[in-house]
Amino acid sequence: DADVTQTPRNRITKTGKRIMLECSQTKGHDRMYWYRQDPGLGLRLIYYSFDVKDINKGEISDGYSVSRQAQAKFSLSLESAIPNQTALYFCATSDLGGLGYNEQFFGPGTRLTVL
Amino acid sequence: AQRVTQPEKLLSVFKGAPVELKCNYSYSGSPELFWYVQYSRQRLQLLLRHISRESIKGFTADLNKGETSFHLKKPFAQEEDSAMYYCALSSGGTSYGKLTFGQGTILTVHP
Repeated sequence: DADVTQTPRNRITKTGKRIMLECSQTKGHDRMYWYRQDPGLGLRLIYYSFDVKDINKGEISDGYSVSRQAQAKFSLSLESAIPNQTALYFCATSDLGGLGYNEQFFGPGTRLTVL
Repeated sequence: AQRVTQPEKLLSVFKGAPVELKCNYSYSGSPELFWYVQYSRQRLQLLLRHISRESIKGFTADLNKGETSFHLKKPFAQEEDSAMYYCALSSGGTSYGKLTFGQGTILTVHP
């Protein structure tokens, strides 16, 4: 779905470097999410934002920070990258939806390697 | 705390065989459950939601509150069904709409 974009798509960095992953959406959704995907662990939520002024920690927020610059933009930062943050990172968006009809729309993913 | 468990990391079947991907959940409230799918070189996308009681691409999933399960089934698997499948549970209350995903099951359908 071209409505949710992530940059960069691939990044190799070194331990201790600061990294920012960016997500943009043109779907007009208020809600945005950052996940990481690891083999055998599935998708785990890092941070989520229900509107521009609302930021919430997910289950694995340590070592990460986020910024919601606008309704359409949600950035994930690794202040000092470490090797166990090597993973595939996904951004997603959703609207409030009706009961049971919440659907999240995912970006293409950013593959991050920390050496 | 809510939890979603998919006990099979890998599942292999032959074309035309029935397939069942297991999902169990732990949640104190009234659950809202979903199956998401990620085909090779495609984005993760919604496959079906329990509230719709729909069949998508021949797949169905029934919510069993007694067994706290939401297994995904298809009577005759096709090669194009090969993908990663995630079961997901929606939070309630003030974090309504936040999803908790299972570990995922990689389904391979052999010709």
